[in-house]
Amino acid sequence: GAVVSQHPSWVICKSGTSVKIECRSLDFQATTMFWYRQFPKQSLMLMATSNEGSKATYEQGVEKDKFLINHASLTLSTLTVTSAHPEDSSFYICSARGGPDSNQPQHFGDGTRLSIL
Amino acid sequence: EDKVVQSPLSLVVHEGDTVTLNCSYEVTNFRSLLWYKQEKKAPTFLFMLTSSGIEKKSGRLSSILDKKELFSILNITATQTGDSAVYLCAGDSWGKLQFGAGTQVVVTP
Repeated sequence: GAVVSQHPSWVICKSGTSVKIECRSLDFQATTMFWYRQFPKQSLMLMATSNEGSKATYEQGVEKDKFLINHASLTLSTLTVTSAHPEDSSFYICSARGGPDSNQPQHFGDGTRLSIL
Repeated sequence: EDKVVQSPLSLVVHEGDTVTLNCSYEVTNFRSLLWYKQEKKAPTFLFMLTSSGIEKKSGRLSSILDKKELFSILNITATQTGDSAVYLCAGDSWGKLQFGAGTQVVVTP
């Protein structure tokens, strides 16, 4: 149980392109989903928290117009990197937590490696 | 400022050895301490600890939390090459996870 699917696994695209990443909870309803970014040899940095049906909460320093998050259903959240540039190249990982309280652990997707040329 | 510090940063052991990984935390509105294993892709959940002094076990892995000293350890006994990974601990604050930098474990045959 608690399977989170993330798609695509790897994206390579030209600078200026917008890229959408999907995160789905396959066998549970996720009231809260999280988006992280991970640079090589570094730990996960939280970018934003999204709750189903409401606007995402972004961490300090994360541009909300650059990283658009939509959480339209209890099983799907999307992250769109708008007008991506080489400095946006990174490993993006989503996680999902079932239930409104944090007594449930976060379960992670397999991540999306984004390379902007 | 919240922070989670893991030690050591990296270690190499032989199969069959026991390893102990350390995690200290300073997290506002602390709720729980979580351990994850990260291989090539995203982290896999291992343990969530909320109470002091109660050991959680899963096979050869075990973990315990000390809320007075703000500290947790993860033990792996009889290590196998498949245990090679980065082990991450994270403090849960207001429902959000603050991750440590991780401990890279390499188990050699």
